[in-house]
Amino acid sequence: QQNVQQSPESLIVPEGARTSLNCTFSDSASQYFWWYRQHSGKAPKALMSIFSNGEKEEGRFTIHLNKASLHFSLHIRDSQPSDSALYLCAVKRTNTGKLTFGDGTVLTVKP
Amino acid sequence: GGIITQTPKFLIGQEGQKLTLKCQQNFNHDTMYWYRQDSGKGLRLIYYSITENDLQKGDLSEGYDASREKKSSFSLTVTSAQKNEMAVFLCASSIGDRVAEQYFGPGTRLTVL
Repeated sequence: QQNVQQSPESLIVPEGARTSLNCTFSDSASQYFWWYRQHSGKAPKALMSIFSNGEKEEGRFTIHLNKASLHFSLHIRDSQPSDSALYLCAVKRTNTGKLTFGDGTVLTVKP
Repeated sequence: GGIITQTPKFLIGQEGQKLTLKCQQNFNHDTMYWYRQDSGKGLRLIYYSITENDLQKGDLSEGYDASREKKSSFSLTVTSAQKNEMAVFLCASSIGDRVAEQYFGPGTRLTVL
């Protein structure tokens, strides 16, 4: 059974800082990797995904994936107060519809 | 664009009561999901349905039943609500069950007295 762990549990950073969120997974056959963001009281919304080893950048957000290390991460450049939210990583194998989520990192960006 | 509607928004029940949560989507997506989110935590999959008439158990299916009445709707039943069971139940849908992004509804917040 897939085990997905996130670190840190919570993080407070000043506006403009670079933020790094981490996710480790246990199933080496995992193929698809997602970051979802959930603002307080709102529905989770997909932020970014990556399907092969390496790096993917979209605006201020970058995902790194290292399948051999069973690790992927989300980096936020120039963090903004509007980035304050619960960040959830999620992992999926190819032959099942199951997406397994971590418990999340609560990010607070102080103005 | 599309939208996922969940009813009711808040649900209060008694211990042992059978409670039903409903979800409708107009994305015309094939796959629908039910997740449970405990306060400030991640999402745990209860049931999912790849297509109409399909039903698959997730990691947290015990104590729940689900029904995919038609392509656009997916219901979840708490078979016997447990006291102090407080969580948000989130419905989601996606085009397929492989690599597609999941779109989430706003949730139903359950309180059991």
